[in-house]
Amino acid sequence: DTGVSQDPRHKITKRGQNVTFRCDPISEHNRLYWYRQTLGQGPEFLTYFQNEAQLEKSRLLSDRFSAERPKGSFSTLEIQRTEQGDSAMYLCASSQSNTYEQYFGPGTRLTVT
Amino acid sequence: GNSVTQMEGPVTLSEEAFLTINCTYTATGYPSLFWYVQYPGEGLQLLLKATKADDKGSNKGFEATYRKETTSFHLEKGSVQVSDSAVYFCALPGSGNTGKLIFGQGTTLQVKP
Repeated sequence: DTGVSQDPRHKITKRGQNVTFRCDPISEHNRLYWYRQTLGQGPEFLTYFQNEAQLEKSRLLSDRFSAERPKGSFSTLEIQRTEQGDSAMYLCASSQSNTYEQYFGPGTRLTVT
Repeated sequence: GNSVTQMEGPVTLSEEAFLTINCTYTATGYPSLFWYVQYPGEGLQLLLKATKADDKGSNKGFEATYRKETTSFHLEKGSVQVSDSAVYFCALPGSGNTGKLIFGQGTTLQVKP
């Protein structure tokens, strides 16, 4: 069991550019979550997948954000036309569907300049 | 919806001191409750959990008891170490059956030698 991995760990981009992050969950977990964490705050839920189906999206997830999990394994989170307010740590977590116990990856820290 | 409130930090203690970090929740029913820990530069790790009222979760010397009468899940440790310095998050599932977690704002613990 290699745990949840995320790539890249850090991303610096200029305002207006598009960025994409990848998350690889624990292999036997069918639920995958994306959260955003800003400095001094707890993680805030963005969206989640059960297998390949995206079942819930937070109001925090503007139409510039899109997430996919095409084969029910890894997931990508894309942010289009980045804004300085998008600067945050983006966390991915996974779990089995019969538990609320989630396992988190190390996160991708996004800095928009 | 479900929510959680944690005590403000930072909490600064000397090594071997007793630790309490307060957490209270608002929820429909009796959801599972969690404490996560985030060490500097790392993702969140599940520290302990309790799945029903009066349960005590424990791990690495930390304990928390699910108290429905006071809607609390306070984190305690009898003797902290410098290596316990981290940010601690209390969490519970969101309303509905999505599995998403709602986190407190986090409490920073600094342990001095």
